[in-house]
Amino acid sequence: DAGVIQSPRHEVTEMGQEVTLRCKPISGHDYLFWYRQTMMRGLELLIYFNNNVPIDDSGMPEDRFSAKMPNASFSTLKIQPSEPRDSAVYFCASSLRVWGGRETQYFGPGTRLLVL
Amino acid sequence: KNQVEQSPQSLIILEGKNCTLQCNYTVSPFSNLRWYKQDTGRGPVSLTIMTFSENTKSNGRYTATLDADTKQSSLHITASQLSDSASYICVVSARSNDYKLSFGAGTTVTVRA
Repeated sequence: DAGVIQSPRHEVTEMGQEVTLRCKPISGHDYLFWYRQTMMRGLELLIYFNNNVPIDDSGMPEDRFSAKMPNASFSTLKIQPSEPRDSAVYFCASSLRVWGGRETQYFGPGTRLLVL
Repeated sequence: KNQVEQSPQSLIILEGKNCTLQCNYTVSPFSNLRWYKQDTGRGPVSLTIMTFSENTKSNGRYTATLDADTKQSSLHITASQLSDSASYICVVSARSNDYKLSFGAGTTVTVRA
């Protein structure tokens, strides 16, 4: 398997523009996670899905952020409108559910977003 | 206040030497603790996962320990190699929701020849 695939790898945009990040999880994984990483705040869980259904979006910073998972092999994270403080590395991860919560999350390479 | 505190923030060691990273947490109730390694420009990769009943877990030259009573964990790197240069992140999950993860800020390890 190719692992978790994210696109684009780098994105530079201007404030106010819409940004769409994409993720393809590992085939067969039923959990998908979106994270954001900054120097100031470290890694933060934004939202996660189970079987394409959003389970917990309490980490989504504000209404400008939205995430969808239309099918088991594709998810998007959209920021509209984007702001400079959204600049960060966004990671997608996927996992299989393991009894006792000991599943391993497999991370993608991340999308580096810079909002000017 | 962050519920997972890591120390030191960074360290530099010579190739072949050992080092130990610390993680203290206040997350409760406790479910499991994970150590991740993150190379520069890459996503985190899981090294170990430990539950309440486990106090030691090894993955090659990496050995993690857990003291659930004192809420402390350590990651020991033996005979360090240049490829060990990375950020090491401690992640703790609470029993109520295994996916409500609390992340440490990470320890940046630099191994020099």
